[in-house]
Amino acid sequence: EVQLVESGGGLVQPGGSLRLSCAASGFTFSRYWMHWVRQVPGKGLEWVSRIKSDGSSTTYADSVKGRFTISRDNAKNTVYLQINSLRGEDTAVYYCAGDGDYGGYSWFDPWGQGTLVTVSS
Amino acid sequence: DIQMTQSPSSLSASVGDRVTITCRASQRIKNYLNWYQKKAGKAPKVLIGAVSSLQSGVPSRFSGSASGTDFTLTISSLQPEDVATYYCQQSYSTPYTFGQGTKLEI
Repeated sequence: EVQLVESGGGLVQPGGSLRLSCAASGFTFSRYWMHWVRQVPGKGLEWVSRIKSDGSSTTYADSVKGRFTISRDNAKNTVYLQINSLRGEDTAVYYCAGDGDYGGYSWFDPWGQGTLVTVSS
Repeated sequence: DIQMTQSPSSLSASVGDRVTITCRASQRIKNYLNWYQKKAGKAPKVLIGAVSSLQSGVPSRFSGSASGTDFTLTISSLQPEDVATYYCQQSYSTPYTFGQGTKLEI
């Protein structure tokens, strides 16, 4: 069964840090680009970051650049998102998603179930 | 950044209706346009990739098309299980951007 399982979310104070993890199974993780997408409660989807299949390239949304770091361990089939200097506006459900590069095109499939990050004092 | 403008923001229709959701890109994105379905409390699910490629397991009542920078998701005969919010997304260039969503109700 193809599966992505996120963990690491929780309640954190402004200025704090968290590391989110996303464990993959059921597909060849090392061939997939991986992304993080977030959804503020009651709002739309926002792309956050991506990492190339071999980990050699990363890209970030301007809203998180310099505060978030994406990484991966292909031996453990896991992608991570280190989030620092957290702000209230970072409160969201964070989803990891795979991107198999389909004949030059890109879309997010599969998706994890999401992990909630709440930034509050 | 490429802006994706989706319309309408909400829609109420009846079972069996033909439903159309539109997404307009702020610049040319070729065929790098995807559609997702998001149900409350669930992860998003890709319905259509690259404008019109129906994903495995997605009912054939869903279809996608394009005309220039305008993209359309059509549900040919609305079913109760289609209640969800639908998002378009461009994968032409980063930052990948989503439309603001269309909430579909019956």
